[in-house]
Amino acid sequence: AQSVAQPEDQVNVAEGNPLTVKCTYSVSGNPYLFWYVQYPNRGLQFLLKYITGDNLVKGSYGFEAEFNKSQTSFHLKKPSALVSDSALYFCAVRDENRDDKIIFGKGTRLHILP
Amino acid sequence: GAGVSQTPSNKVTEKGKYVELRCDPISGHTALYWYRQSLGQGPEFLIYFQGTGAADDSGLPNDRFFAVRPEGSVSTLKIQRTERGDSAVYLCASSPRRTYEQYFGPGTRLTVT
Repeated sequence: AQSVAQPEDQVNVAEGNPLTVKCTYSVSGNPYLFWYVQYPNRGLQFLLKYITGDNLVKGSYGFEAEFNKSQTSFHLKKPSALVSDSALYFCAVRDENRDDKIIFGKGTRLHILP
Repeated sequence: GAGVSQTPSNKVTEKGKYVELRCDPISGHTALYWYRQSLGQGPEFLIYFQGTGAADDSGLPNDRFFAVRPEGSVSTLKIQRTERGDSAVYLCASSPRRTYEQYFGPGTRLTVT
């Protein structure tokens, strides 16, 4: 069965510092991996995805994520955090052999401190 | 362009009542998904449509939940005999291809009193 884990409920980072939000996954086949962000009172917004190719994926708002097959991880990163990055971040995975559901993690709340 | 829209944005209903939640996907998107998000949790898959047919309804919690997409565009999630445990935000998403990113609507917050 496919699953995704976000081990941190909350991450606090000072503005201007680099940030990392962790995600690990489990699928039977090759993974399709996604990061979404949810701002207060707004819907989920797509940030980036890994389907195949380069392990470092660049996405919206300066975010990037690194796919590590041996560690089954897909951590979200940004070199310099902004206060406006404060939001709820979700990692999600789909198994390439499954034509349907995407499984979401429980989310990590990111607080950027001014 | 227009994104995914969901109506109503909020719905308060009494236990035992019937509710319908509507989703208008992005024009041309063939795949449509329903999720349920409870407080402090990630979206939980309910059902997935490819065109008019439900390709996977394995996430529907029980037979009180049903969804349709009769013309391959707008979808309605129907909940019969609502229970307090059904209270959550119901999210709809659409995708131009079922294997790639999904575009989410703002959700419908359902409160069962």
